[in-house]
Amino acid sequence: EDQVTQSPEALRLQEGESSSLNCSYTVSGLRGLFWYRQDPGKGPEFLFTLYSAGEEKEKERLKATLTKKESFLHITAPKPEDSATYLCAVPYNNNDMRFGAGTRLTVKP
Amino acid sequence: ETGVTQSPTHLIKTRGQQVTLRCSSQSGHNTVSWYQQALGQGPQFIFQYYREEENGRGNFPPRFSGLQFPNYSSELNVNALELDDSALYLCASRDRGQETQYFGPGTRLLVL
Repeated sequence: EDQVTQSPEALRLQEGESSSLNCSYTVSGLRGLFWYRQDPGKGPEFLFTLYSAGEEKEKERLKATLTKKESFLHITAPKPEDSATYLCAVPYNNNDMRFGAGTRLTVKP
Repeated sequence: ETGVTQSPTHLIKTRGQQVTLRCSSQSGHNTVSWYQQALGQGPQFIFQYYREEENGRGNFPPRFSGLQFPNYSSELNVNALELDDSALYLCASRDRGQETQYFGPGTRLLVL
């Protein structure tokens, strides 16, 4: 079955320690890959949409990249306010949007 | 531009009861989707509404039903509540021609 898998489940970083989050997908006929940020108890906040392999998008300390089988969310010199759960999602059939379980990022000062 | 809004923010119900959750879509968006998010998991697609009709459904039983109104706002109704229905319910809206969805703040439902 088509699915979305995110790793790691949780990531603890020191402030300024750069790292990457992974999102792998198996859906065929990709119609976009979406990254969201979610703070505890709140709705997901849209970050990026990527449509084709090789595409990159940046926003402040975040950069998202896409290959044919996975996407990475690179976090450069993170700050404590970057602590959140990061979700990736791909459109599935029947207007379904399939989400991964998320990576819970904690950035310590 | 007004974002997606949802009401109520929190709700406590008992098993067997019925609940109605409400969503106002972002200005200019004609398509609304509902998701259920259990603790520690990603959102799961319940269904989508476009032009007041259900336009796609995930793996949820018929006791989950919805409506969309002419102003594109929407309701999610859940009958015969079960303990496992306790979750954050999210509404997302988008323009029909776009894939990007924008989420509301969610309604936290607790079933006792």
